[in-house]
Formats: sequence, structure tokens, C-alpha cells
Amino acid sequence: QSVLTQPPSASGTPGQRVTISCSGSSSSIGSNYVYWYQQLPGTAPKLLIYRNNQRPSGVPDRFSDSKSVTSASLAISGLRSEDEADYYCAAWDDSLSGVIFGGGTKLTVL
Amino acid sequence: QVQLQESGPGLVKPSETLSLTCTVSGGSISRYYWSWIRQPPGKGLEWIGYLYYGGSTNYNPSLKSRVTISVDTSKNHFSLRLSSVTAADTAVYYCARGAEAAGLDYWGQGTLVTVSS
Repeated sequence: QSVLTQPPSASGTPGQRVTISCSGSSSSIGSNYVYWYQQLPGTAPKLLIYRNNQRPSGVPDRFSDSKSVTSASLAISGLRSEDEADYYCAAWDDSLSGVIFGGGTKLTVL
Repeated sequence: QVQLQESGPGLVKPSETLSLTCTVSGGSISRYYWSWIRQPPGKGLEWIGYLYYGGSTNYNPSLKSRVTISVDTSKNHFSLRLSSVTAADTAVYYCARGAEAAGLDYWGQGTLVTVSS
């Protein structure tokens, strides 16, 4: 089963810059776009980043992503308390011929 | 503004079929990927499958033998059927829309389905 691997947790203090990694493979991140989702407690996921660092309307530019071969990273600058949430990466996987999600990273703002 | 709303039984018995409907308002079912994703309590997201405009479908291989996603354009809704459920299928089920299969920009609020006798 193809997977995207994320650290289970991350943390930072207000104003800091934090990054969350997402490791995949040549058939997933290596060949396709990476998407990032934010899930606040008790709510549905929200699309945060799509197609090479594009942000849907309303998503602040404090959120950005980068990609290197088979890995991607989400960066959050100027960390705020309302950023405390679960973050998921997702991508199409050519081997699976389907969508795969990372296991999620719980971000805590200290 | 596009809105999606899941509906269906919150409790399903083991071995029976889970059936959910996602009603779309503020737009028509066309030109997009209409997807189902689930999240077991306290766990991460799992892609179930999608129906693409034109009627083609694609399912998670781990669920493929049990899943059917269909559409009723006259009612502007699409549906999920998952057969032979077990306790492992207990989850919050989300419907979502995306311009790309993995890029889902509109989501329903989710509905908890519990599999229990």
C-alpha cells in the first residue's frame, strides 16, 4: 500500500515558523502534485494548498509549501493560536491509481 | 456558494450495507470529482473513491469490492454504498468536491456512521 508519511506531532510558539514534512515515493509525490489540508477540531478538512503552492481564496500567505523529489513540506510562518489543528498531505498515486493521504500531523501552539 | 450535505443512517448493523447521500446545493454536479472520504474516530483520513463528471468511478483498492458510488443528476446528489460492513467501517464519512482528484475544495460537514448490532 502506497503511503505518505508525516510526523505525528509538531509544535511552536506564537510568531515562530514551523514546518511539517510529508514523505512519499516516485509514484506519488515524485510524479504528482501535493495538496495540504487543515482540520480544526470537530470540523471537516479544509484545502490549504494545491498545485505548487497555490492557496484557495481566504487562505493567508503565511501558509506555503515546497517539494523536493519525493518529499514535500508545509511551512507556517508567524504562527498563531488559531493554527492549532491537524494537517494532512495528500497526492495522487500512480501505482495505486488513487488518492492517498498522509497520517496527519497534530500542530500544537505553545 | 457550493454546499454539500451528507445524510443517511447513523447506525448500521454488521454485515449490512451502509448507504449515504450527498446533496449538492449552489451548483450542479458537473465537471468535478465528487468524492467520499472517511475518518475513523481519532484517526486520519482515508480516501474511499470518486465519481467523475461523465460517470466514471475510481475506488480505493482496499475497499473496491464493497464500494459503489453513483449519481442522480436530477436530484443533484451522489451516493455511497458500502456493503458487508464491520466495526472497522465505523467512521465519520465526508463527501467532497474537487477540480482534481486529490484537491478537494468543498466538503460536507461529515456524518458519523457506527457499525454495531
